[in-house]
Amino acid sequence: QLQLQESGPGLVKPSETLSLTCTVSGGSISGSSYYWGWIRQPPGKGLEWIGNIYYSGDSYYNPSLKSRVTISVDTSKNQFSLKLSSVTATDTAVYYCATLPAAHFDFWGQGTLVSVSS
Amino acid sequence: QSALTQPPSASGSPGQSVTISCTGSSSDVGGYDYVSWYQQHPGKAPKLIIYEVGKRPSGVPDRFSGSKSGNTASLTVSGLQAEDEADYYCSSYAGSKNRVFGGGTKLTVL
Repeated sequence: QLQLQESGPGLVKPSETLSLTCTVSGGSISGSSYYWGWIRQPPGKGLEWIGNIYYSGDSYYNPSLKSRVTISVDTSKNQFSLKLSSVTATDTAVYYCATLPAAHFDFWGQGTLVSVSS
Repeated sequence: QSALTQPPSASGSPGQSVTISCTGSSSDVGGYDYVSWYQQHPGKAPKLIIYEVGKRPSGVPDRFSGSKSGNTASLTVSGLQAEDEADYYCSSYAGSKNRVFGGGTKLTVL
C-alpha cells in the first residue's frame, strides 16, 4: 500500500519561499498512472487544492495560487515537491500530499504544519 | 473557481440517517461525475469515503452513500454511529485539470 510522508521546515519567514517534499513508499511514482497532489488546510478552516503533477512533469495548479506555486517531481528519489513563493501569514496551514488515481484524492500523507512568521 | 457550498453543520442521533449537501455549478459538480467525499477526524488527515459520486473504496462501510442531482451532490450516512462524528468535505473535478473542495460540514452525533 502506498505511503506518503511530507517533510520540510515548519517555520518560514514572510516574503520567503515555502518548500516541502513528499516521499512516496510502497510504490513507484514513475511506475503508476497516478497524479500526485498537494492540498492545504489553514488552522480551523477547510481544504484547498494547490496543484497536481504527473511523473512526466505535467503540472496543474489552482488558478488562485498559480503565480506563486511550482510542483516538481524527482522520480529517482521517488519524491515530489512543492514550492510556494512570497508567503504571507495567510499561507500558514497544514500541507498534505496525496495521490490521485483519477479525479479524487486516494492516499494522503499525515500532513505537516507550516507557519509563516518573522 | 469558487469553493463548493456545504452546510457548516449537521447532526443526528445514533441509528438515524443524515444527509450532507454539496452545491456547485455546471462547471464542476453538475458537469462531471467526479464528486468525492472525505471524512476528517480532529488532528488527522482526510480519508476518502466516496469517489465518482457514489463509489465506495474498499473498507468503507456501506452506511456511507453518495448521489448527485444537477449541480448538487449529497452524502448520506445511515445508521449513525459515534465514530461518524467528524468533518466531511466534498470535492469535484472542475475542468482543465482543476479540483475544488467544499467548505466542510461538521457532523455531530447527538
